[in-house]
Amino acid sequence: DAKTTQPNSMESNEEEPVHLPCNHSTISGTDYIHWYRQLPSQGPEYVIHGLTSNVNNRMASLAIAEDRKSSTLILHRATLRDAAVYYCILRDLNTGANSKLTFGKGITLSVRP
Amino acid sequence: NAGVMQNPRHLVRRRGQEARLRCSPMKGHSHVYWYRQLPEEGLKFMVYLQKENIIDESGMPKERFSAEFPKEGPSILRIQQVVRGDSAAYFCASSSIGQGAAKNIQYFGAGTRLSVL
Repeated sequence: DAKTTQPNSMESNEEEPVHLPCNHSTISGTDYIHWYRQLPSQGPEYVIHGLTSNVNNRMASLAIAEDRKSSTLILHRATLRDAAVYYCILRDLNTGANSKLTFGKGITLSVRP
Repeated sequence: NAGVMQNPRHLVRRRGQEARLRCSPMKGHSHVYWYRQLPEEGLKFMVYLQKENIIDESGMPKERFSAEFPKEGPSILRIQQVVRGDSAAYFCASSSIGQGAAKNIQYFGAGTRLSVL
C-alpha cells in the first residue's frame, strides 16, 4: 500500500467541526482512501472510504483533492466520544481481495469540552 | 447481529506458558485477520486466514506463534512459551467475501490484552 502522512495530533473544541488532513502524494489511480479510528482501549473502527468523489456517511465526510494527493476527514460536530487516533490508509484495488490493513501512526484527536 | 467477539479480554500468563486467544468473526464473515499492538506502538498485521487456510502470514513471528481458523469454531491465535515481549493487545478483525480489496471493510473486535509476568 502507498504511504500516507498525517500530523501527529490535533485539538478541537466540542461541538465544532474538525478537519483531519492526510497527504498521499504517491497515490496511484487504483488506490482507495480509507479512514479508521481507534478509541482508547478499543479496537479500530471503520469510518469512511472513497476513491475520487467526496463521500458522506453518518459518521463523517471525506473530501478528496482533485489531484487525489491529499484528503481530509471532516467531523461536522466533534463530541468528546470522537477523541481517538484516526488512521488514513490507502488500499490498492489490484492487491487482491481482502488484503491486510497497513496502519501508520495516525493522528491523535483531542476534544476539549 | 453480534460483532467480532474476542476472548478473553484480558489474559495473564507467566513466562514459558502458552497463550490461546480466540476470535469469533461476525456472522457471515469468512475472512479473519489478526493484528498486534505493542505498548506505545502502532497496529501491525500478523496473519490473514480463511476457513481452514492461512492466506498471508507475512507478519507472524517465525517462532512460537501460530494461527488457525477451523471449519467449525473460532479462530485461534496461539503463542507458545510466552516471553515478556509478547505483552500487547491482540486484535482480530473479520470481513465478508465478495467485495473488492480496495472497498473491503474490516470489522474489529475489542481485543485481548496479554500480560506476561
